[in-house]
Amino acid sequence: LAKTTQPISMDSYEGQEVNITCSHNNIATNDYITWYQQFPSQGPRFIIQGYKTKVTNEVASLFIPADRKSSTLSLPRVSLSDTAVYYCLVALYSSASKIIFGSGTRLSIRP
Amino acid sequence: SAVISQKPSRDICQRGTSLTIQCQVDSQVTMMFWYRQQPGQSLTLIATANQGSEATYESGFVIDKFPISRPNLTFSTLTVSNMSPEDSSIYLCSVELQGNGEQYFGPGTRLTVT
Repeated sequence: LAKTTQPISMDSYEGQEVNITCSHNNIATNDYITWYQQFPSQGPRFIIQGYKTKVTNEVASLFIPADRKSSTLSLPRVSLSDTAVYYCLVALYSSASKIIFGSGTRLSIRP
Repeated sequence: SAVISQKPSRDICQRGTSLTIQCQVDSQVTMMFWYRQQPGQSLTLIATANQGSEATYESGFVIDKFPISRPNLTFSTLTVSNMSPEDSSIYLCSVELQGNGEQYFGPGTRLTVT
């Protein structure tokens, strides 16, 4: 399983766009990139997943360059409720694939 | 999606005792996963539980310490045996529905060992 590296913490303000970059130099051909969000006292929640280029859903966008050695989670117009820990993972796209969590990025949003 | 419940939500136990944590899913799933998360830390995978077979444990975790049962496709238990204060942690179960790396997590069980 590819190891991921992401900033330990980030700060931003309400209404700003936040970009969290994750490095995964050893990503394998069949690996997908997945991001989870975790609030205090809750289990992680799936945010978005992608393989290459750009993926967008109602919550976030995920940008993946051609070499796939990194990815960027983009949160548009953050609010205080986006304060959480964000985990970047790479995992094989197959049935019952286990996922390994990295250290995560602790995002703090200020008024 | 899947709705996952865990019991108990929290417990305070004495060292040397054992605690069994239950995980219930509202749909049938093949694989369930058990994680441990110490305060302020990331999640560590303990084991993968496949219905009908023995659980597969990650490095550093053994069956004698963390026995797992998986009697059917909607239920699993994790037992923390012969507890010590180092076992104080949050224990979470999760499931994967579609084989695409998207897992759904339970709310966790906060265990404190005194």
